[in-house]
Amino acid sequence: NAGVTQTPKFRVLKTGQSMTLLCAQDMNHEYMYWYRQDPGMGLRLIHYSVGEGTTAKGEVPDGYNVSRLKKQNFLLGLESAAPSQTSVYFCASSYSMGSEQFFGPGTRLTVL
Amino acid sequence: GQQVMQIPQYQHVQEGEDFTTYCNSSTTLSNIQWYKQRPGGHPVFLIQLVKSGEVKKQKRLTFQFGEAKKNSSLHITATQTTDVGTYFCAAPRYDKVIFGPGTSLSVIP
Repeated sequence: NAGVTQTPKFRVLKTGQSMTLLCAQDMNHEYMYWYRQDPGMGLRLIHYSVGEGTTAKGEVPDGYNVSRLKKQNFLLGLESAAPSQTSVYFCASSYSMGSEQFFGPGTRLTVL
Repeated sequence: GQQVMQIPQYQHVQEGEDFTTYCNSSTTLSNIQWYKQRPGGHPVFLIQLVKSGEVKKQKRLTFQFGEAKKNSSLHITATQTTDVGTYFCAAPRYDKVIFGPGTSLSVIP
């Protein structure tokens, strides 16, 4: 089992460009999450999903969109990247809300 | 809204010294989780505490959940260089899980 995988691992964007981060899990988890991590800020929840076809806003959803068309995949989109979105992005999944979360290796995004 | 606070933000210890990080909430928690993130890595689940006053041990790590279920602690006995990293507590809030800001541990050999 690969667990949770994320692509790409690194990306550099120019302001205004768009991109999609892909998260995949092979544990048949219902719940999936996208976090961003900035120095001294811990992990902040961007969006999450409680099942295929569902999405919900987290703490810092502005500037991001998500889709969960398949149970195993959770996509995070940036329509018009801004320097404030420079961060490390982690995807996670869990069997249920409140149960152990399994994290992917992260995507380091720089927006110039 | 509910926030989860952690202290200290940073801790530098000599190898062999003990280390403790504290997690506090303004509201009663149904459970609390602890994660460890090595430098350059991703968070990894350590443990979940559910019961009031619960104490769990994993080798040199001792986890406690307060009697009022509003605070928790992680204590490491005789730190080693392998303990270096950031330790996060996390607690459920309605339909999501909120992470504390973390305590970054450095161990001086």
